[in-house]
Amino acid sequence: RKEVEQDPGPFNVPEGATVAFNCTYSNSASQSFFWYRQDCRKEPKLLMSVYSSGNEDGRFTAQLNRASQYISLLIRDSKLSDSATYLCAATNDYKLSFGAGTTVTVRA
Amino acid sequence: NAGVTQTPKFRILKIGQSMTLQCAQDMNHNYMYWYRQDPGMGLKLIYYSVGAGITDKGEVPNGYNVSRSTTEDFPLRLELAAPSQTSVYFCASSFTPRDLLYEQYFGPGTRLTVT
Repeated sequence: RKEVEQDPGPFNVPEGATVAFNCTYSNSASQSFFWYRQDCRKEPKLLMSVYSSGNEDGRFTAQLNRASQYISLLIRDSKLSDSATYLCAATNDYKLSFGAGTTVTVRA
Repeated sequence: NAGVTQTPKFRILKIGQSMTLQCAQDMNHNYMYWYRQDPGMGLKLIYYSVGAGITDKGEVPNGYNVSRSTTEDFPLRLELAAPSQTSVYFCASSFTPRDLLYEQYFGPGTRLTVT
């Protein structure tokens, strides 16, 4: 079983819509979780860190459910510029295990 | 701060050639990592280092070697390149914060093609 699994999508949404997707992790010892954004196989850029029940940053909200071992990312009022692949990561000591990514496409 | 830098950006190798991918960071991070990313796949950890002089294997170390003689630099060596090593290689670094989050910051990547 992969350590971190994501729905690959793609999620095609209109501008202004809300989109949400999940990431499951198998290592119950993972303490911290991250959402990274990756554009066209450029380097991943840190979007949000999640280490308690959740985190919110503007239009982005991340939730952590330790009992069910998943984290979610919700994007409100989607912009064209939100089109990207979103990578989920979970800590394994000081290493990170990454999911394969969820592709989001926002259309005009 | 330049952050994490990588050279070269692109490289084409012939089968059996060798090369070194360079990675440097100027944030005084003690942890450094090398990943490869194949199309449609997540990041796979090749090697990592927790400080100068200390390196360890990740998930996919075969065909690669690393060294960490300074805090700043973490080069990745490919010996006897094979087509299976065609990939995008990312270097990353992190520090040991009090909250133990271990957020990683990535370099721009090296696109390597082996033909």
